[in-house]
Amino acid sequence: EAGVTQFPSHSVIEKGQTVTLRCDPISGHDNLYWYRRVMGKEIKFLLHFVKESKQDESGMPNNRFLAERTGGTYSTLKVQPAELEDSGVYFCASSQELVGEQFFGPGTRLTVL
Amino acid sequence: AQSVTQLGSHVSVSEGALVLLRCNYSSSVPPYLFWYVQYPNQGLQLLLKYTSAATLVKGINGFEAEFKKSETSFHLTKPSAHMSDAAEYFCAVSVLTGGGNKLTFGTGTQLKVEL
Repeated sequence: EAGVTQFPSHSVIEKGQTVTLRCDPISGHDNLYWYRRVMGKEIKFLLHFVKESKQDESGMPNNRFLAERTGGTYSTLKVQPAELEDSGVYFCASSQELVGEQFFGPGTRLTVL
Repeated sequence: AQSVTQLGSHVSVSEGALVLLRCNYSSSVPPYLFWYVQYPNQGLQLLLKYTSAATLVKGINGFEAEFKKSETSFHLTKPSAHMSDAAEYFCAVSVLTGGGNKLTFGTGTQLKVEL
């Protein structure tokens, strides 16, 4: 069974540009989470989807971040326009049940110059 | 709100020595507690979890952790370190609220294993 995949693995963009990160959860997992780790800090929750609905988006930093999960399968996280402080590693995780284990992808390392 | 404190951002042990990684949590309601490990260029992998059953939890690769409510701790241990244990370890807490189950992480502990 394939794990959680994320694309791209690395992205380097300039301040003001737009970047879209993609996450493919494990097939059949209704719950999809986005987390972010800024260098030297803890991994922080961004938002949680249940199927295609946003269950909790309390961790989204501001309105420059837009997450979608059309059809309840893969998810995208768009940052527009990107700022320097958006640099970090963005992790996606999925789980079959709400209290089930969250399986993490390898992350996307975003660098904003 | 819940929080996690991991004491020691870097821990170094000799191969064969005891591994002890410390984690203290804060939560207003009974928590679920987790330890995750991240090897280089990989995603986080669950080592073990506490979900209000037995207070001593055994995980993969010989790791275990003990939930101590009185000390609000969930320290990770392994009797004998192996070179392959070198990685970054994260303690996390979650509380079910309003249909959500988000994880709150500590800052991570980088474990180095020396010969």
